[in-house]
Amino acid sequence: DAGVTQSPTHLIKTRGQQVTLRCSPKSGHDTVSWYQQALGQGPQFIFQYYEEEERQRGNFPDRFSGHQFPNYSSELNVNALLLGDSALYLCASSPPRELGEQYFGPGTRLTVT
Amino acid sequence: RKEVEQDPGPFNVPEGATVAFNCTYSNSASQSFFWYRQDCRKEPKLLMSVYSSGNEDGRFTAQLNRASQYISLLIRDSKLSDSATYLCAVIPHFGNEKLTFGTGTRLTIIP
Repeated sequence: DAGVTQSPTHLIKTRGQQVTLRCSPKSGHDTVSWYQQALGQGPQFIFQYYEEEERQRGNFPDRFSGHQFPNYSSELNVNALLLGDSALYLCASSPPRELGEQYFGPGTRLTVT
Repeated sequence: RKEVEQDPGPFNVPEGATVAFNCTYSNSASQSFFWYRQDCRKEPKLLMSVYSSGNEDGRFTAQLNRASQYISLLIRDSKLSDSATYLCAVIPHFGNEKLTFGTGTRLTIIP
């Protein structure tokens, strides 16, 4: 049984560019959450998707947007990249009605130069 | 005040010792509590959920103190493999089911 998968594992972008990160949830999970983790910090909640809609959003600007597909996989898009967007981006999935039990993917390490 | 606060450490503990971490949360309506373990440059992994009555899983014991708004994690007979960062996470309240994490406590077990 595959766990949460994310792609790519690493990415280097230039300021002002746009990036798309991808996530496939664990089998049987229907909710996907995205987090940003800067070095030395805990993960910060970006948003959560359920039934192809954004259900909740953290304190991130509109440059951060997402999507969930009918197969529950999800994308995170970041426009107009800033140096401060450099971080580990984590996707987590959770089973129906167990939102607290989140299982994380290995993350995408984004470096903005 | 941060929603979830942890002592960042580092905690350097000899192998076989007992170590305990606390994590405080600011929202008294918080519903659910968790401990995650994160190895260097890896993703967080769920270690334990924290129940009102406390719970134990082998060498690990988690407690919740609602009156003082903190959760704790106790590790007994520590092993070298316990070296990691321990993150506490809280779900603020029903209807707002996002995980809010602390900054993590770094633990190193010394041989």
